[in-house]
Amino acid sequence: AQSVAQPEDQVNVAEGNPLTVKCTYSVSGNPYLFWYVQYPNRGLQFLLKYITGDNLVKGSYGFEAEFNKSQTSFHLKKPSALVSDSALYFCAVRDVPTGGFKTIFGAGTRLFVKA
Amino acid sequence: GAGVSQTPSNKVTEKGKYVELRCDPISGHTALYWYRQSLGQGPEFLIYFQGTGAADDSGLPNDRFFAVRPEGSVSTLKIQRTERGDSAVYLCASSPQGGSTDTQYFGPGTRLTVL
Repeated sequence: AQSVAQPEDQVNVAEGNPLTVKCTYSVSGNPYLFWYVQYPNRGLQFLLKYITGDNLVKGSYGFEAEFNKSQTSFHLKKPSALVSDSALYFCAVRDVPTGGFKTIFGAGTRLFVKA
Repeated sequence: GAGVSQTPSNKVTEKGKYVELRCDPISGHTALYWYRQSLGQGPEFLIYFQGTGAADDSGLPNDRFFAVRPEGSVSTLKIQRTERGDSAVYLCASSPQGGSTDTQYFGPGTRLTVL
């Protein structure tokens, strides 16, 4: 069965510092991996995805994520955090082909960026 | 362009009542998904439509939950004999073609409260 773990409920970082939000996954096939961000009273917004190819994926708002097959991880990173990055971040996985189109989400990590 | 919209934004009902939640996907998107998000959790997959048909309804928790998409556009999630445990935010998402690499675009959600 496919699963996603976000080991940190909350990440605190100072503005201007690099940030990392961790994600590990478990699938039986090849994973398709996604990051979404959720702001208060708004829907989830797509940040980036890994399908195949280069392990380093670049996405919206300066975010990037690195797919590491041996560690089954897909950590989200940004070189310099902004206060406006403060939000709830979700990692998600699709187990292709065994899981079909079902997307499994992690429980989320709340990011606080302090000025 | 217009994103995914959901109505109502909030719904309060009494235990045992019937509710309908509506989702208007992005125009032209053939795939539509319903998720349920409980407090402190990530979205939980409920059902996936490709066109008018439910391609995967394995996430529906029991037979009190049902969803339709009769014309391949708007979808309605129907919950019979609501229970307090049904209280959650119900999210709808759409994607252009429904392929496993598709990005899903989420609506703002309907917050359902069962008293």
